Amino acid sequence: QKEVEQDPGPLSVPEGAIVSLNCTYSNSAFQYFMWYRQYSRKGPELLMYTYSSGNKEDGRFTAQVDKSSKYISLFIRDSQPSDSATYLCAKSENRDDKIIFGKGTRLHILP
Amino acid sequence: NAGVTQTPKFQVLKTGQSMTLQCAQDMNHNSMYWYRQDPGMGLRLIYYSASEGTTDKGEVPNGYNVSRLNKREFSLRLESAAPSQTSVYFCASSEWGGRNEQFFGPGTRLTVL
Repeated sequence: QKEVEQDPGPLSVPEGAIVSLNCTYSNSAFQYFMWYRQYSRKGPELLMYTYSSGNKEDGRFTAQVDKSSKYISLFIRDSQPSDSATYLCAKSENRDDKIIFGKGTRLHILP
Repeated sequence: NAGVTQTPKFQVLKTGQSMTLQCAQDMNHNSMYWYRQDPGMGLRLIYYSASEGTTDKGEVPNGYNVSRLNKREFSLRLESAAPSQTSVYFCASSEWGGRNEQFFGPGTRLTVL
């Protein structure tokens, strides 16, 4: 079992809808959680970062971590066509460790 | 600041040929990484360097070697390329390891015939 599981999609939603992207992980030692966004033919870029359970909000984006159920979510409100990209969840055990990435979910926002 | 730069952007090799992918960062980061990305497989770590002078294997190191030339530069070498190494290769850097944001380069698209 891969340490980080993510539905690859594609996920298509109409513009303005709320998008929910999810990941599960298997290693309870993970402490740091991230969401990266990757546009077509570009490198990934950090979107959200958290190291605790609960919610973290940044504009239209909310990252939610539930350590008891090992579940991580990213919510996008008022989705825009420019949000069309692949979203990768990522985890790390500690400060100096490498990051484990999920396979990514392809998201299409339909105008 | 250029961030993370990679050369070349595209490369076509024949089976058995060798090549080196170059990566440099100008952010004074300590940690550097090499990933490959294949359809349906996500980002897989090949090798990483937690700090200058150290390198460690990642998830898929077979067929690759790396050199942390100095704090700025981290190269990836394919000694004898195989078609299974056809992929997009990304270099990344971070200030220190897993709790810090990784900054990615634009990628190298490699095809091995």
